[in-house]
Amino acid sequence: QVQLQESGPGLVKPSQTLSLTCTVSGGSISSGGYYWSWIRQHPGKGLELIGYIYYSGNTYYNPSLKSRVTISVDTSKNQFSLKLSSVTAADTAVYYCARVPEPWGQGTMVTVSS
Amino acid sequence: EVVLTQSPGTLSLSPGERATLSCRASQIFSSSYLAWYQQKPGQAPRLLIYGASIRATGIPDRFSGSQSGTDFTLTISRLEPDDFAVYYCQLYGSSPLTFGGGTKVEIK
Repeated sequence: QVQLQESGPGLVKPSQTLSLTCTVSGGSISSGGYYWSWIRQHPGKGLELIGYIYYSGNTYYNPSLKSRVTISVDTSKNQFSLKLSSVTAADTAVYYCARVPEPWGQGTMVTVSS
Repeated sequence: EVVLTQSPGTLSLSPGERATLSCRASQIFSSSYLAWYQQKPGQAPRLLIYGASIRATGIPDRFSGSQSGTDFTLTISRLEPDDFAVYYCQLYGSSPLTFGGGTKVEIK
């Protein structure tokens, strides 16, 4: 079955760019009809959609993050990626990748700190 | 922007009791679908229901979902100790994807 796994640094300095990759196994990221999504969860809080890329290549970004977010796909590696620029402590969260509605990755904690 | 409002924020119940969780959408489209997730501390959300009423693979039949217009309901017929967790609803299938704020089901 399809599985997703996030990877990337667990610690990012303020003002730098957070970069995460989601590797898809057990299925093709090019298969149609799915929303390849990035979602985050601040400690003790609810789920926040960061954005997603549709199989057609169209993207949607949360308006509150839009100016700092880029989501892209690398079909040759069966991966999709998140870049969040100019991070602050408020970006400290668990970051999940998901093929909505499932499956989800296990999540990766990213801390923004100097 | 579509808003999903979950209620109540917290539900205090005893094992064996029935839990009824609500999720109201500000608007839905013909291509909108609703999912329910369960999340326990330190774990990723687990899909329970998709398409408003279809149980995901391996989900016990004590979990059921329903829809009436823009109102969605997740019912847990008889709470088991493993069911105490936070539950989220999510709209998908049409742009943009949206999450509700969550309902915590806690032991009374």
